[in-house]
Amino acid sequence: AQTVTQSQPEMSVQEAETVTLSCTYDTSESNYYLFWYKQPPSRQMILVIRQEAYKQQNATENRFSVNFQKAAKSFSLKISDSQLGDTAMYFCAFATDTGTASKLTFGTGTRLQVTL
Amino acid sequence: GAVVSQHPSWVICKSGTSVKIECRSLDFQATTMFWYRQFPKQSLMLMATSNEGSKATYEQGVEKDKFLINHASLTLSTLTVTSAHPEDSSFYICSASPHGHLNTEAFFGQGTRLTVV
Repeated sequence: AQTVTQSQPEMSVQEAETVTLSCTYDTSESNYYLFWYKQPPSRQMILVIRQEAYKQQNATENRFSVNFQKAAKSFSLKISDSQLGDTAMYFCAFATDTGTASKLTFGTGTRLQVTL
Repeated sequence: GAVVSQHPSWVICKSGTSVKIECRSLDFQATTMFWYRQFPKQSLMLMATSNEGSKATYEQGVEKDKFLINHASLTLSTLTVTSAHPEDSSFYICSASPHGHLNTEAFFGQGTRLTVV
């Protein structure tokens, strides 16, 4: 079984600043997928970024990037130039290679507040 | 992107009654859909895998007789909370991935807030 741990229940960052959200996971799988999902107050889950475990290069999507350390089983999310619209709950999630991207194990979430 | 729609968005029911929640993939076919439960300020927990044309697969600890899942077509899965009690009050979310996105992204419904009074 997989576990995903997010050790930061809440984070706060000022607009335009950079913030890093932490995530660690545990698995015996050799290949898998890692995701960061955003859940704004509307509660609609939105994909932020995705990483395939067999790819060494860290994924990047505009202002969002990850630091994937496979040996350490660490998958942190960096948000650059934070915007008020980034205020949301952020979940780190894991999917096995044999499953689908919809069958996810989620972390407990980090509530991010972007302030003026 | 693909669209998954849930209905209703919220529902209030009396204790002891049953409630049905629908999850539809609007622009793709989904042989498999997933149901999650989210308690207030907590994470999403996978409840079950809904399989088109066959029985659902439930996660450990989830009562299959309490949470009935039916996946009668390639675009519709339903979750029925039977004999609901206040402790079943929660936010229920479904997800699915189109065939071409099986390993890339989950598409989520907007969720259903269930309140049992």
